Amino acid sequence: QQQVKQSPQSLIVQKGGISIINCAYENTAFDYFPWYQQFPGKGPALLIAIRPDVSEKKEGRFTISFNKSAKQFSLHIMDSQPGDSATYFCAATISGGSARQLTFGSGTQLTVLP
Amino acid sequence: KAGVTQTPRYLIKTRGQQVTLSCSPISGHRSVSWYQQTPGQGLQFLFEYFSETQRNKGNFPGRFSGRQFSNSRSEMNVSTLELGDSALYLCASSLDPNTDTQYFGPGTRLTVL
Repeated sequence: QQQVKQSPQSLIVQKGGISIINCAYENTAFDYFPWYQQFPGKGPALLIAIRPDVSEKKEGRFTISFNKSAKQFSLHIMDSQPGDSATYFCAATISGGSARQLTFGSGTQLTVLP
Repeated sequence: KAGVTQTPRYLIKTRGQQVTLSCSPISGHRSVSWYQQTPGQGLQFLFEYFSETQRNKGNFPGRFSGRQFSNSRSEMNVSTLELGDSALYLCASSLDPNTDTQYFGPGTRLTVL
């Protein structure tokens, strides 16, 4: 199946805390896993992405951890800020080919309290 | 470099009508994908176009169609609108189908009354 399961549905974190969002996938053919951030009234914006050949990727305060054997990946937001309050979507796709399409998780609404 | 632009941003239609949405990809990007976003179903893939050809299609009825022009601009059309078609329609562009990074536009908010 093409599903990507995301949790939690909503998350409330204090300023300066760590936000963790988890995703699990079923299709082992997926080979590209991006995370998108979406603010109200805006389209999703690419945050960070990872491929299965690495277990972790860090960009600033954002880190993706990837567990290929468990078919799980997660987004960690360090030192969370009120400006990080948004909806976060994980996604997965098969690179190139005619089957390329982003399969999205259901989204996590993050609220960072000041 | 300008981002993905979508027009119109907001649209109100009534059941049975048809609608056409437009997307201009980032300059130099030749691949355009369309997604539907609803509170109930989330983000779902509609179709992808490259070189004026549809490469892939999601699980949507034939009322949903699209096309791409020689300048890479794309349009999607929904005929015989239903209440359930109310959604945010998002366009995403990438350099080509072999480039994984896709950049989204702000979307067109369609309301069907």
